[in-house]
Amino acid sequence: QVQLQESGPGLVKASQTLSLTCSVSGGSISSGSYFWTWIRQPAGKGLEWIGHVFAGGSTNYNPSLKSRVTISIDTSKSQFALNLNSVTAADTAVYYCARDWDGGGWFDPWGQGALVTVSS
Amino acid sequence: QSVLTQPPSASGTPGQKVTISCSGSTSNIGRNIVNWYQQLPGTAPKLLIFDSKQRPSGVPDRFSGSKSGTSASLAISGLQSDDEADYYCAAWDDSLHSPVFGGGTRLTVL
Repeated sequence: QVQLQESGPGLVKASQTLSLTCSVSGGSISSGSYFWTWIRQPAGKGLEWIGHVFAGGSTNYNPSLKSRVTISIDTSKSQFALNLNSVTAADTAVYYCARDWDGGGWFDPWGQGALVTVSS
Repeated sequence: QSVLTQPPSASGTPGQKVTISCSGSTSNIGRNIVNWYQQLPGTAPKLLIFDSKQRPSGVPDRFSGSKSGTSASLAISGLQSDDEADYYCAAWDDSLHSPVFGGGTRLTVL
């Protein structure tokens, strides 16, 4: 069965770029009509959809983050990546990657999450 | 402020039935399916209900989902202490062109 695993720096300085990678195992990242997704959760708060990338490379982003977000996919490595630039303390959160079955919020499975702290 | 509205908390005693609501609009729940997630303390969310009322393999039939108009509900019957968790609803929003979440409901088993 498909498993997802986030990786990347746990500490990022304010104004710099947050970069995370999600590695997909147990299935092909380029098969099916899935949307490979990033979601985040600040401590003690709810879930926020960041955006997704389709296997063919097309993307869709949360309007509130669109100007700072890039999500890309590397099918040869079975990975997809998140870049969030000009970060502030408000971007401190646990970042999850997930597979979306229809692009509409049907997320399964999820990665275990990666805590990213933005320091000043 | 979340696009989908959930009560911040819910509670029940073991064996009881609890229902968690998720209220939206014609641009999201009114036209699209709803999915529900369970997040146990310190863990990643897990898909609990998809397509408004379908259960993934392995999810007990104590969990059920329904949708009517611009609202959806998650019902948990035969409440167990292991059900203590945060529950989130999610749906596609036609106006925002993106999936949206509810703010989450923390379920306490008394």
